[in-house]
Amino acid sequence: RKEVEQDPGPFNVPEGATVAFNCTYSNSASQSFFWYRQDCRKEPKLLMSVYSSGNEDGRFTAQLNRASQYISLLIRDSKLSDSATYLCVVNRITGGGNKLTFGTGTQLKVEL
Amino acid sequence: SQTIHQWPATLVQPVGSPLSLECTVEGTSNPNLYWYRQAAGRGLQLLFYSVGIGQISSEVPQNLSASRPQDRQFILSSKKLLLSDSGFYLCAWNGGTPTDTQYFGPGTRLTVL
Repeated sequence: RKEVEQDPGPFNVPEGATVAFNCTYSNSASQSFFWYRQDCRKEPKLLMSVYSSGNEDGRFTAQLNRASQYISLLIRDSKLSDSATYLCVVNRITGGGNKLTFGTGTQLKVEL
Repeated sequence: SQTIHQWPATLVQPVGSPLSLECTVEGTSNPNLYWYRQAAGRGLQLLFYSVGIGQISSEVPQNLSASRPQDRQFILSSKKLLLSDSGFYLCAWNGGTPTDTQYFGPGTRLTVL
């Protein structure tokens, strides 16, 4: 089982739609969670951190369910500019210290 | 504010040739530094990380090596490139603990022919 699993998509949605992505992680001891956005042929950029209580940033809402070990990202009122790949990121506990593990990403295409 | 630079942006190299990619960070001291590779259609794979000058940890066995000669400089090298070394190489940094948010440089797109 992969440490971080995401549906690769693509999710094709019309402009203005609401779309949700889920991500599951395997290490129950994980403590840091993030969503990154990656545009085609560009570097990943931090979208938002994910906190236990859930957090919102404008049209974006992130939720964490520790019991089920999944993280979600909700995008409301999708814009064309939201088209990108969204990466779920979880810290990984290893004998060599904690590191971040990136999912392979979910691709979103917002269409007119 | 902190910025991270990588060069070159694009590189085409023949099999068996050497490689040197450079990453520098400005605006911070004693950062944790990371090298990742992203192959076409695949996720980010952590290659090396460093918590200080001369301190390098390798995540996966390979024909690549990394060095950190200065606090804010991280170099990825190879003596002989393989076809499988093609990919998008990303340098990242963070402060504090290794599980804090990481910030990425613009990347180097390497094609080995």
